[in-house]
Amino acid sequence: SQTIHQWPATLVQPVGSPLSLECTVEGTSNPNLYWYRQAAGRGLQLLFYSVGIGQISSEVPQNLSASRPQDRQFILSSKKLLLSDSGFYLCAWSVLGNSPLHFGNGTRLTVT
Amino acid sequence: TQLLEQSPQFLSIQEGENLTVYCNSSSVFSSLQWYRQEPGEGPVLLVTVVTGGEVKKLKRLTFQFGDARKDSSLHITAAQPGDTGLYLCAGVPGTYKYIFGTGTRLKVLA
Repeated sequence: SQTIHQWPATLVQPVGSPLSLECTVEGTSNPNLYWYRQAAGRGLQLLFYSVGIGQISSEVPQNLSASRPQDRQFILSSKKLLLSDSGFYLCAWSVLGNSPLHFGNGTRLTVT
Repeated sequence: TQLLEQSPQFLSIQEGENLTVYCNSSSVFSSLQWYRQEPGEGPVLLVTVVTGGEVKKLKRLTFQFGDARKDSSLHITAAQPGDTGLYLCAGVPGTYKYIFGTGTRLKVLA
């Protein structure tokens, strides 16, 4: 069966520090991968998605970047965090358009 | 920019009451999905609707896709405390992107 791992679960970082969040998927090949950010109790904002290794589409201009170094690995990074980067970050995968999105358990990032 | 507005934003009701959540957009979607999210977890898919006018039922939950494929509704009959959570609609405008709604937080009181 397919599983998605996302870590760390929680993270507290000072303003100006770098960020690296990692997501890996098991049990499927060539998944579409996604990074979303969620404000408390609200909807999900699409940040990046990838349909293949090295292929990254950015939806929101900001100080975050994403990379897909391997087929089932998706990384969210920042060189210098801002206070506004605080939030709940979710990684997800799907097989085809219209198919369900399968989410990890998220990373709660607090920038202080 | 494609937006999906959900209403109401918050809903607190007594057990046994009925409710409807709306998901509206000015954009056309090839399909629309509904998810439910528990605190500290990722959303979990409830249903996908694809055809304009389509109605799907999942036990006490009824989902409808608008005829023009721009809007959807979720109706819950005889709500139970276990229905408490954040309900999210998500539109698929093309092939890869999933655009999420603003969310509806439901609390069902026993």
